[in-house]
Amino acid sequence: EDKVVQSPLSLVVHEGDTVTLNCSYEVTNFRSLLWYKQEKKAPTFLFMLTSSGIEKKSGRLSSILDKKELFSILNITATQTGDSAIYLCAVEEVDYKLSFGAGTTVTVRA
Amino acid sequence: DVKVTQSSRYLVKRTGEKVFLECVQDMDHENMFWYRQDPGLGLRLIYFSYDVKMKEKGDIPEGYSVSREKKERFSLILESASTNQTSMYLCASIQVRARATDTQYFGPGTRLTVL
Repeated sequence: EDKVVQSPLSLVVHEGDTVTLNCSYEVTNFRSLLWYKQEKKAPTFLFMLTSSGIEKKSGRLSSILDKKELFSILNITATQTGDSAIYLCAVEEVDYKLSFGAGTTVTVRA
Repeated sequence: DVKVTQSSRYLVKRTGEKVFLECVQDMDHENMFWYRQDPGLGLRLIYFSYDVKMKEKGDIPEGYSVSREKKERFSLILESASTNQTSMYLCASIQVRARATDTQYFGPGTRLTVL
């Protein structure tokens, strides 16, 4: 069974649009939820979320976690072509084991 | 900067060959991980190790084994490669947390093709 489910699987937007990516999860011993951005190379870390309701921001990206409803969202505002990538959500358990979702492919058109 | 390196970026092997994928990290991290990444499936954990000579199965260990003889090196072994093991393989490492902000660092990946 899938522990981490991301939606949508892919989307295409135009520069300047806002995108919202969803990640729902189901794990027994939750430690944290992480978001990564992957272009044509290894994933790079974006955010780590451990507490509900506290928004993390980095420039035009922000993310929030709801531990009661078991989901997280990643927002990207004023999108640019450089935001085109696969965005991966991962849930970490207490033994540091990470389970990844399938990813959301974001394409930003000029 | 943390550096996680993998021995090859691209590798082509034949069915039945024994394949070694090497991963080295230079930050004295305790935990190391091997994932494979396939389109539509995301990253799936094959094996991880939390100390020298220690290993734990991940979600898809079948057809793979690992070796951790030194802290900085974690090897993934395909005893008899098969075409369904054609994939991108990613290694990652992390220091056992003293701070909540630590996270996994990934190597550049090895794209393995089994013919």
